[in-house]
Amino acid sequence: AQSVTQPDIHITVSEGASLELRCNYSYGATPYLFWYVQSPGQGLQLLLKYFSGDTLVQGIKGFEAEFKRSQSSFNLRKPSVHWSDAAEYFCAVVPMNRDDKIIFGKGTRLHILP
Amino acid sequence: DGGITQSPKYLFRKEGQNVTLSCEQNLNHDAMYWYRQDPGQGLRLIYYSQIVNDFQKGDIAEGYSVSREKKESFPLTVTSAQKNPTAFYLCASRKGQFDGYTFGSGTRLTVV
Repeated sequence: AQSVTQPDIHITVSEGASLELRCNYSYGATPYLFWYVQSPGQGLQLLLKYFSGDTLVQGIKGFEAEFKRSQSSFNLRKPSVHWSDAAEYFCAVVPMNRDDKIIFGKGTRLHILP
Repeated sequence: DGGITQSPKYLFRKEGQNVTLSCEQNLNHDAMYWYRQDPGQGLRLIYYSQIVNDFQKGDIAEGYSVSREKKESFPLTVTSAQKNPTAFYLCASRKGQFDGYTFGSGTRLTVV
């Protein structure tokens, strides 16, 4: 079945440490890929997106993501997290054969230790 | 600045009542969406509309209704048929397939 999987429900890292949030998808063709962030009680904000080309994508707030076709993955990374990065992160895809809506993963909640 | 406005931010409803959530955008986006968010369940699509006067059911449309009479507006009605309406509701819009969504700040609906 077509799906977007974020295997980690919660992740805790120390402030200043590096971060990697995992995202895997299962679609026949490479979909359009997105990462969003949501602070408590707020809407979602787009961090970055990938359609084609360079597989390393830079986003806002110092985030980047790498598309790996062989692993069907689009993992989000940040070299050094700040306490303000504590939030929920959603990976999302737009399937190539069904581009009328975005499919979201269930999210990963990031906790930051001082 | 352009954006999406959802109102109200908090809404309380008695059981058996219908309630309408407002979503307005001034981004000139063609497509608009309604999602429901529950803890641990991610975002689930309720309804979406790609053009005025047309809309499609999403994954959990039962107990909800929408209209799209104007490009800027996509109100969601939570009817009394919705068995468990307490949730956080998010409206979003998108210009085209190469664009991500722009989200509103959400409406938290509580049934009392």
